[in-house]
Amino acid sequence: DTEVTQTPKHLVMGMTNKKSLKCEQHMGHRAMYWYKQKAKKPPELMFVYSYEKLSINESVPSRFSPECPNSSLLNLHLHALQPEDSALYLCASSPRESDTQYFGPGTRLTVL
Amino acid sequence: GESVGLHLPTLSVQEGDNSIINCAYSNSASDYFIWYKQESGKGPQFIIDIRSNMDKRQGQRVTVLLNKTVKHLSLQIAATQPGDSAVYFCAEIKYNFNKFYFGSGTKLNVKP
Repeated sequence: DTEVTQTPKHLVMGMTNKKSLKCEQHMGHRAMYWYKQKAKKPPELMFVYSYEKLSINESVPSRFSPECPNSSLLNLHLHALQPEDSALYLCASSPRESDTQYFGPGTRLTVL
Repeated sequence: GESVGLHLPTLSVQEGDNSIINCAYSNSASDYFIWYKQESGKGPQFIIDIRSNMDKRQGQRVTVLLNKTVKHLSLQIAATQPGDSAVYFCAEIKYNFNKFYFGSGTKLNVKP
């Protein structure tokens, strides 16, 4: 398996909802990442997990809560989001931090 | 094309022509550079990479050139096809600081 998968593909949620995004890879990579991407912009790094421990948090608001249950899975828990949080959320993985990252297809999130 | 406000720089080429996409980077200490292709609604896809101790690397129909003197990276696509239409991002990695930076992106539009 040489890909990163993300579910769901699309998500529409209200500002009071709680939802989760899921990311999975079976390439044996030990670093996993969450990015946020707005239209016509490059991906912006949110979180980095290395060997299942949070390595980098790029000052992301607490309404985004990452979780790495095991080396293959990465979740992003969402609560009380704002409409400006609507974006494409990308997951990536790499053999180790600072290696080439491989991206999933993303989850298109719309916050109403 | 020019980058103004929210508009991505755009390169329009005729099918069959060669394309050259440029990227200026700012960090002279970067160790490694990567080109990604992102099609509409999808995640970035790895194309080719180059280490900072190299000047040129070739792949299938693609060549990456690195000019460290002027901090310039380019991606050349031979015999451009409609399927090459996408946004192309360069990224740079600095190992010691576990940093991964995306460039602003260029949209390639291939005319049939």
